Amino acid sequence: KAGVTQTPRYLIKTRGQQVTLSCSPISGHRSVSWYQQTPGQGLQFLFEYFSETQRNKGNFPGRFSGRQFSNSRSEMNVSTLELGDSALYLCASSLSGPSQETQYFGPGTRLLVL
Amino acid sequence: GQNIDQPTEMTATEGAIVQINCTYQTSGFNGLFWYQQHAGEAPTFLSYNVLDGLEEKGRFSSFLSRSKGYSYLLLKELQMKDSASYLCAVRGNYGQNFVFGPGTRLSVLP
Repeated sequence: KAGVTQTPRYLIKTRGQQVTLSCSPISGHRSVSWYQQTPGQGLQFLFEYFSETQRNKGNFPGRFSGRQFSNSRSEMNVSTLELGDSALYLCASSLSGPSQETQYFGPGTRLLVL
Repeated sequence: GQNIDQPTEMTATEGAIVQINCTYQTSGFNGLFWYQQHAGEAPTFLSYNVLDGLEEKGRFSSFLSRSKGYSYLLLKELQMKDSASYLCAVRGNYGQNFVFGPGTRLSVLP
């Protein structure tokens, strides 16, 4: 089975721009969670989608949003980028939700905001 | 609140044994996970404990004490490739998500 894939792998943006990141879960997995990882804050939960619905949300501003499509692929959008948004963005998939099963991570998208 | 603590860095010698501790205080508990993350790569699942006791998986073992809010990951016969960050994560009750600790960066020296 193919693993979790994320595109693009690297991105450079400038302050004020917006960005969209994509995640394709493992085939059959219906839950996708997004995390932000920075050296200072570690891995922080952004949100989780299941069956095209946001089921859980972390403590991030409204500039961070996401969606999930009927094929379980998910996108994450960050608007009005700030320097502090520079981070590794990871998505993780599981069959029906991280509260029930192990989740598997993709390779991440490294975002640099200049 | 949710709080997970791990040592920031550890160093050990190839062939040795190292124990990485994790303490947690979370509002719900439905399992504790350990992940390994090499620099620049995604975390990969190592082990899972939901009941007290020791779970062994080859060179890796993980222990859990729910009453003490404590877990450790034991790595035996260390190899250079074990140099990585080790993340402790707690899964809350149904409907809650994973909370990750800050990670422990392990350096294995020859």
